[in-house]
Amino acid sequence: EIVLTQSPGTLSLSPGDRATLSCRASQTVSSSYLAWYQQKPGQAPRLLIYGASSRATGIPDRFSGSGSGTDFTLTISRLEPEDFAVYYCQQYGTSPTFGGGTKVGIK
Amino acid sequence: DVQLVESGGGLVKPGGSLRLSCAASGFTFSSYSMNWVRQAPGKGLEWVSSISSSGSYIYYADSVRGRFTISRDNANNSPYLQMNSLRAEDTAVYYCARGARGVISFFDYWGQGTLVTVSS
Repeated sequence: EIVLTQSPGTLSLSPGDRATLSCRASQTVSSSYLAWYQQKPGQAPRLLIYGASSRATGIPDRFSGSGSGTDFTLTISRLEPEDFAVYYCQQYGTSPTFGGGTKVGIK
Repeated sequence: DVQLVESGGGLVKPGGSLRLSCAASGFTFSSYSMNWVRQAPGKGLEWVSSISSSGSYIYYADSVRGRFTISRDNANNSPYLQMNSLRAEDTAVYYCARGARGVISFFDYWGQGTLVTVSS
């Protein structure tokens, strides 16, 4: 099983700030099969990024993904009020696994 | 629009059983894998099981293998999750999610979830 470790656990930022979230895998994620999701309280997760860097339909371009191998990053270039949420990475190169999440909170 | 609506959750005693359903609409159901993902209260996401578009390929997380059974009815646009021998640690919101590409995939659409509580 591929273990995904997300850091930091919590990020305290202000609207307009840049957010950088990390996802590290315990072994190589084949073909960059890495996705990112956003989840707000009481809601289902929402797909943001797949294939490490491809934005899902309707996702604003302030969200970007990068990385390969074992190290992946989600960047939110300028935080909007609606971006404060929990973010999860997921690998799907083998049986799917999720990271523990990063909470982006308001400073 | 793609819609996934789960049902069948509730309170069950340890050792009991439940069957979850998911009503899918707005897409060609028989062309996509379907999945169950759960989230324990206040915790992160955990993949539970996947079934291919035809139902020929099925995968389970180690934590549920031998106790849970995934299936699908392409005529009625529904995947199911039969959960037996339930334990307290199975308490979670269970989400039905569409697999975007292939059997083992990322999940592009999610239902709102159904809560399963295992308690005496």
